[in-house]
Amino acid sequence: DVKVTQSSRYLVKRTGEKVFLECVQDMDHENMFWYRQDPGLGLRLIYFSYDVKMKEKGDIPEGYSVSREKKERFSLILESASTNQTSMYLCASSQDFFSSYNEQFFGPGTRLTVL
Amino acid sequence: TQLLEQSPQFLSIQEGENLTVYCNSSSVFSSLQWYRQEPGEGPVLLVTVVTGGEVKKLKRLTFQFGDARKDSSLHITAAQPGDTGLYLCAGAHRDAGTALIFGKGTTLSVSS
Repeated sequence: DVKVTQSSRYLVKRTGEKVFLECVQDMDHENMFWYRQDPGLGLRLIYFSYDVKMKEKGDIPEGYSVSREKKERFSLILESASTNQTSMYLCASSQDFFSSYNEQFFGPGTRLTVL
Repeated sequence: TQLLEQSPQFLSIQEGENLTVYCNSSSVFSSLQWYRQEPGEGPVLLVTVVTGGEVKKLKRLTFQFGDARKDSSLHITAAQPGDTGLYLCAGAHRDAGTALIFGKGTTLSVSS
């Protein structure tokens, strides 16, 4: 079974702090994704990566950056956390379309609160 | 922008009832997935449909992909409290590349 793990389930940070969210997958997937999920807004894509050191902006990249130095690890960075970044953050990975029809496998999520 | 519209947004039913959740779009999708998410957890993949008209069954859950691959439905027979959760549909579209387009979800509550 695919396993996607996230470094923390719950995180509380202060406004202005730099925040690192880590995601690791163990199935050698090419693609990795970061979403945030808010009530009434659904899942919104922040960034995704289709290869090591490659990244693409999603729908809401402002205030975030990412890093993918190794295939299995994808990090989301909040350069200066703000209260409007309080949310549930979900990481996912997928194999290429022709192997898997873009099926995504999600981690358990990190509930981030910015005070 | 391709959109996937899910309906209803909320559904509250009694154990044993049947229900259907819909996922509609004006765009054609290469594949469509259904996920279930429990509170405080990440979404879990239930099924992928690829061919127009395809029907897949997972115990009491029946998934159908529309003939034109623009819509899908999830039917649950004799719902149980364990079916409670957020149901998400997501489609693969050539313009989205490796990403998926997600609906906003249907929150299902089944009470005993």
